[in-house]
Amino acid sequence: GAVVSQHPSRVICKSGTSVKIECRSLDFQATTMFWYRQFPKQSLMLMATSNEGSKATYEQGVEKDKFLINHASLTLSTLTVTSAHPEDSSFYICSATGTPYSTDTQYFGPGTRLTVL
Amino acid sequence: KNEVEQSPQNLTAQEGEFITINCSYSVGISALHWLQQHPGGGIVSLFMLSSGKKKHGRLIATINIQEKHSSLHITASHPRDSAVYICAVKVTGTSYGKLTFGQGTILTVHP
Repeated sequence: GAVVSQHPSRVICKSGTSVKIECRSLDFQATTMFWYRQFPKQSLMLMATSNEGSKATYEQGVEKDKFLINHASLTLSTLTVTSAHPEDSSFYICSATGTPYSTDTQYFGPGTRLTVL
Repeated sequence: KNEVEQSPQNLTAQEGEFITINCSYSVGISALHWLQQHPGGGIVSLFMLSSGKKKHGRLIATINIQEKHSSLHITASHPRDSAVYICAVKVTGTSYGKLTFGQGTILTVHP
């Protein structure tokens, strides 16, 4: 299957700072990328869907100005958590789909654990 | 009631046992995924099904579209199979491959 990477795998930051998480498709063109958040012992919660070259579509209850998503190329999407607070601490996972795969297929990244002090 | 329900929520087995995890859904779907998440957090896609049965090594996944039910079987289970197994569906008519997730099944295999 296709490979999706995330960077960094772990990040610790101070409250009030911004953190950028990268999601890359290594061997295919990711026309669509998804960003998920996962709280301990809970399932994944979709935050937003981004299509290359377009503005992201955010799920209800997700603050657009808080979680900035950029999908400027077919291999890279970034999630920036702005003015992070301790309640933003979570596990963030991206997934991607695109050429040559169908939209029913998604490949997941390894996740990024964010801790805000 | 969630659109995707998994059972059991927790499962403990001895090494070598045959394991079954179930997933039922209440909506029309175009595809169903079985995912594996290890304690480190990374998610691996095990299967994507739209009908029938798929096999990969010791893992077998089946789906019955009429009954809206899927099962994941693990034969000759091993401690390294210990993980959270997640069922996720692509609901018919939703855009861009958006998935709806079950709550996960925590599997622990003891040596």
